[in-house]
Amino acid sequence: NAGVTQTPKFQVLKTGQSMTLQCAQDMNHNSMYWYRQDPGMGLRLIYYSASEGTTDKGEVPNGYNVSRLNKREFSLRLESAAPSQTSVYFCASRNRPQGAGANVLTFGAGSRLTVL
Amino acid sequence: QKEVEQNSGPLSVPEGAIASLNCTYSDRGSQSFFWYRQYSGKSPELIMSIYSNGDKEDGRFTAQLNKASQYVSLLIRDSQPSDSATYLCAVRGNAGNMLTFGGGTRLMVKP
Repeated sequence: NAGVTQTPKFQVLKTGQSMTLQCAQDMNHNSMYWYRQDPGMGLRLIYYSASEGTTDKGEVPNGYNVSRLNKREFSLRLESAAPSQTSVYFCASRNRPQGAGANVLTFGAGSRLTVL
Repeated sequence: QKEVEQNSGPLSVPEGAIASLNCTYSDRGSQSFFWYRQYSGKSPELIMSIYSNGDKEDGRFTAQLNKASQYVSLLIRDSQPSDSATYLCAVRGNAGNMLTFGGGTRLMVKP
């Protein structure tokens, strides 16, 4: 049981290049999220998908697009990377069980992106 | 003003002491509160959740919630060097799907 898998783990881009971060979960969770983490800023929500077929903006969506490909996969795309997008990106998923463990986020290992 | 505020630290405590981590939030309608631990270079992991006013204990960890004061805290008793990490406070508001994180407090437990 892999949980939440993110690829790639590391990536270096030049300004203006594009790339897609991939995320897949095998827990049959309904909701999936993309966060970025910068020093001292905690985790900031970029986009989320409450269920298959829906996506919504979070706190910091500018410069990003997402696709909820199916229930398992949620990708994050940078169309024209900028140095301000240098960050660690975390994908997470959440189910909505009743009782203990409800509303718990499970995170992937993170993807460290550097934009030169 | 950030919606969830934490002192960035570092908070330094000796081994065996009680570490007290604090968090304030601005959305008075918030319903669910979480503490995540994040080791350097790793992803966050949930250690405590609390939904109603008062204390909730789980082993060496106690979460405290005061909705009137919009204040959540985490106490770690008998602190160990392995507790050295960044602790993130997270709050879920009325909207339900969005979890807002504080900036995190770095805890250092010295042997």
